Amino acid sequence: NAGVTQTPKFRVLKTGQSMTLLCAQDMNHEYMYWYRQDPGMGLRLIHYSVGEGTTAKGEVPDGYNVSRLKKQNFLLGLESAAPSQTSVYFCASSSTHPGLEFFGPGTRLTVL
Amino acid sequence: DQQVKQNSPSLSVQEGRISILNCDYTNSMFDYFLWYKKYPAEGPTFLISISSIKDKNEDGRFTVFLNKSAKHLSLHIVPSQPGDSAVYFCAASGNTNAGKSTFGDGTTLTVKP
Repeated sequence: NAGVTQTPKFRVLKTGQSMTLLCAQDMNHEYMYWYRQDPGMGLRLIHYSVGEGTTAKGEVPDGYNVSRLKKQNFLLGLESAAPSQTSVYFCASSSTHPGLEFFGPGTRLTVL
Repeated sequence: DQQVKQNSPSLSVQEGRISILNCDYTNSMFDYFLWYKKYPAEGPTFLISISSIKDKNEDGRFTVFLNKSAKHLSLHIVPSQPGDSAVYFCAASGNTNAGKSTFGDGTTLTVKP
């Protein structure tokens, strides 16, 4: 069991570029989440999904889009990257909601 | 309005002593609380949780205490070990906020040998 995996681990973008972060889980969890963590701050929820084909906005959704076409995958897209989106992004999944979440190792994104 | 607060950004303790990490919350609708541990360059991992119907939950060296009237929970680590050095996040969830977890800013624990 790989648990929750994230691709890529690191990425540098220029302002205005777009990219997609991929999250995959092999635990058959219904619920998946995307968070960002900035220095000295906790995890802030960007978007989440309560099942295949569903998405919902979290605390800080602006500038991001998500899709959950398959139960095991949750994609986070940045349409036009801005320096304010420089952060570490974590994906998580859970079998219950609310419930304990299993986190991926994170993606460190820098926007120049 | 930060609903979950960890007022101590850092804590340093000697190996073998007790570590006490604190967390306060403001939303009385929260009824499930979790502690996560995070090492550098890794994702957070679940440590221990407590439901609002309990006031204490114990798992080995880790104990979480919940004081609902004070809206306060604490994590006790006894005895502390150098491998416990990490960032600890408190999280709260419940029927409010569509069940989503709200995280505190974290406390960096350093256990000195």
